[in-house]
Amino acid sequence: SQKIEQNSEALNIQEGKTATLTCNYTNYSPAYLQWYRQDPGRGPVFLLLIRENEKEKRKERLKVTFDTTLKQSLFHITASQPADSATYLCALDNYGQNFVFGPGTRLSVLP
Amino acid sequence: EAGVAQSPRYKIIEKRQSVAFWCNPISGHATLYWYQQILGQGPKLLIQFQNNGVVDDSQLPKDRFSAERLKGVDSTLKIQPAKLEDSAVYLCASSQATWRNDQPQHFGDGTRLSIL
Repeated sequence: SQKIEQNSEALNIQEGKTATLTCNYTNYSPAYLQWYRQDPGRGPVFLLLIRENEKEKRKERLKVTFDTTLKQSLFHITASQPADSATYLCALDNYGQNFVFGPGTRLSVLP
Repeated sequence: EAGVAQSPRYKIIEKRQSVAFWCNPISGHATLYWYQQILGQGPKLLIQFQNNGVVDDSQLPKDRFSAERLKGVDSTLKIQPAKLEDSAVYLCASSQATWRNDQPQHFGDGTRLSIL
């Protein structure tokens, strides 16, 4: 069956460190993968999109990798700040029609 | 540009009552999505429109949920009758995506529905 897993429900890290979030999938062949940030009581906000033929994408302190062999995407936030605390969602392209979201990882950056 | 507008922000009803949600997408966005997000989970797609046609409604409980997008702009999602398990946040999103899935989705802040 199809499955999307994101690393532990919650991740706590110290301010200034690099946060690494994982998104693993089974029985999907996504051409695109997106990452979103969601704050409590708000809708998800788009962060990055990476294509299947791209290994890595960067935007300011954010970096995403996409390994179609391992069926995994990693999302990194460098020099993390308390303001980065939120839930992060990965979303997989569903055969070009729409996206399927993972369950999310709640990140807390401790000062 | 103005974002995706949703109303109401909160709604409390009793089970077996009906409820409707409204969404105004970003101007010019062809594709509109309705998602259900249960606490602690990721958004789950209920229905996807491209202009005013339905692209995917495979996960919409059609015995109680209905949605329409008149004139390819605004959309409404209705639940009738509501069940306790429908308690969730209902998110609307829009996108410029048409035949390729390479565009971001822009979300509204959702309607939080509580069923008593």
